[in-house]
Amino acid sequence: GAGVSQSPRYKVAKRGQDVALRCDPISGHVSLFWYQQALGQGPEFLTYFQNEAQLDKSGLPSDRFFAERPEGSVSTLKIQRTQQEDSAVYLCASSLNGLEKLFFGSGTQLSVL
Amino acid sequence: DQQVKQNSPSLSVQEGRISILNCDYTNSMFDYFLWYKKYPAEGPTFLISISSIKDKNEDGRFTVFLNKSAKHLSLHIVPSQPGDSAVYFCAATAGTASKLTFGTGTRLQVTL
Repeated sequence: GAGVSQSPRYKVAKRGQDVALRCDPISGHVSLFWYQQALGQGPEFLTYFQNEAQLDKSGLPSDRFFAERPEGSVSTLKIQRTQQEDSAVYLCASSLNGLEKLFFGSGTQLSVL
Repeated sequence: DQQVKQNSPSLSVQEGRISILNCDYTNSMFDYFLWYKKYPAEGPTFLISISSIKDKNEDGRFTVFLNKSAKHLSLHIVPSQPGDSAVYFCAATAGTASKLTFGTGTRLQVTL
């Protein structure tokens, strides 16, 4: 497809369960970002990749959060031992380079029960 | 610490009239500002941006104004159309930073 694709669209997890969220960026896009959007809030930065290199992970809220982009294309955001406060929409975005004109996916809505 | 603030959670405007969405920021290092539009169940879509070296940028029906001394920017939509009904996010970044800082959004409803 032409846009950023995220899967699954919805994920329900029991507290303590591990989850993995996938992002397929637009082909050829060097930069990839993950954001977390809680209900009623704006997106909050989690982490940034340039190709396969994770250049900024300052927004990851705890060491339970881990992201990778091993071949510089598809990225996975993994959350271990999920907690209720992890419930949010997780947005992936990509761009040709940097912050100009980010293209966002539709997000994965994570609900932790 | 909310560095980008959108103090109006919602706004209702009649079709054909002007919509003005406001955004304030506190970080004086911010030098590039963007507006995103978000429909339900979709990701945000880039709308328009402005660099701190300018005070106005226009793209069709959309104009963004920047007042650096007041740390304030606004998005004007003229004329407003029903398809403009969405949540609008203001975002900012500083220098070579790798992240955007978003406001909490303003829900715009354009009525017939």
